[in-house]
Amino acid sequence: GAVVSQHPSRVICKSGTSVKIECRSLDFQATTMFWYRQFPKKSLMLMATSNEGSKATYEQGVEKDKFLINHASLTLSTLTVTSAHPEDSSFYICSAATSGRAPNNGEQFFGPGTRLTVL
Amino acid sequence: QKEVEQDPGPLSVPEGAIVSLNCTYSNSAFQYFMWYRQYSRKGPELLMYTYSSGNKEDGRFTAQVDKSSKYISLFIRDSQPSDSATYLCAMSAGYSSASKIIFGSGTRLSIRP
Repeated sequence: GAVVSQHPSRVICKSGTSVKIECRSLDFQATTMFWYRQFPKKSLMLMATSNEGSKATYEQGVEKDKFLINHASLTLSTLTVTSAHPEDSSFYICSAATSGRAPNNGEQFFGPGTRLTVL
Repeated sequence: QKEVEQDPGPLSVPEGAIVSLNCTYSNSAFQYFMWYRQYSRKGPELLMYTYSSGNKEDGRFTAQVDKSSKYISLFIRDSQPSDSATYLCAMSAGYSSASKIIFGSGTRLSIRP
């Protein structure tokens, strides 16, 4: 099956610093990548959708200047949490989606997640 | 009102029991329905998907969708301790999981040996 990796898997940083998280599709090209945030015992909340070479589309309530998304290639997207604060501590999960024609209209594959702790 | 409602549990059942997990939704545009399994501190993995109403069976798992009631279910037969995880229902207005997905809050399931 398709594999999506995230790096780092865990990061601890001081308040005010910026953190970059990478999401890679290892064995397929992803037309679209998604970034989610998950609080403990809560569901995945979609933060933004990004297509290669274009600006990301952010969900309502997500600060685009706070969470910078770059989708430079069909296999790599990055999420940068700028000037991180303790309330940004969360589990960040990316996914990469393939495209396809019916009956296989594509599928979204999830990365293993990155746990961010801001002190 | 949330677009997708799911009882967070936790749900604890003995090994071998039949498990029933459910979600309701409010957006009638949803037409692609999924169930994901998520182990602690891992990304979700797709278990089953169903397009529109109906049933779908895969081994010990059966997914049901009733669009008229806006209600979906996942049944697990002969439950095993390895089934212990959080189960998330998910839905999309698109034709596949490659579209924007809305997740339920997840139900924590524990299977007692």
